[in-house]
Amino acid sequence: KQEVTQIPAALSVPEGENLVLNCSFTDSAIYNLQWFRQDPGKGLTSLLLIQSSQREQTSGRLNASLDKSSGRSTLYIAASQPGDSATYLCAVIKGPAGGTSYGKLTFGQGTILTVHP
Amino acid sequence: GAVVSQHPSWVICKSGTSVKIECRSLDFQATTMFWYRQFPKQSLMLMATSNEGSKATYEQGVEKDKFLINHASLTLSTLTVTSAHPEDSSFYICSAKRSRTSTDTQYFGPGTRLTVL
Repeated sequence: KQEVTQIPAALSVPEGENLVLNCSFTDSAIYNLQWFRQDPGKGLTSLLLIQSSQREQTSGRLNASLDKSSGRSTLYIAASQPGDSATYLCAVIKGPAGGTSYGKLTFGQGTILTVHP
Repeated sequence: GAVVSQHPSWVICKSGTSVKIECRSLDFQATTMFWYRQFPKQSLMLMATSNEGSKATYEQGVEKDKFLINHASLTLSTLTVTSAHPEDSSFYICSAKRSRTSTDTQYFGPGTRLTVL
């Protein structure tokens, strides 16, 4: 059974810092990995999606990397801002080898990020 | 494009009553919709997969008679929590994708907060 773990569970940083969020997964037979942002009491906003054949994706101040063989992904946020405060979730989607789990998203517990002015 | 809405955004009901939550794809046709549940400070757990015109597929441990799912059209899926109890209080989030291709992108709704008194 796929398990997704995110470290740290919570992170508080001053504005302007660069930071790294970590995600690990137990089964490397994934189709892709996705990073989401969730504001309190809200739904999910997709930030970056990395296909299993890719090593990284970038969008603005965000950069996500994927090392499928070691079961790890990192989300790098440059020059953090108070508006970045939210919960960040990573999720993996199983590939064809996943059987009945094929195409289903498995989420990590999330990292609660607070960026203070 | 790819906007998903949910209604209501929050609902409070008495124990024993039934509550219906709607998930709509506003600008695309969704052949497949997913229903997730999120408890406070926890991640999203998939409850069921709903394909238009066919019966929903429930994840292990989810009672299909308690959580009724109907996906009668390409833009609407409903989740009915029957005989709700306080332990059903949670944040319910739906997602939708355009095709039945297992790895097609899922677009998430804003969530519905259910509180059962």
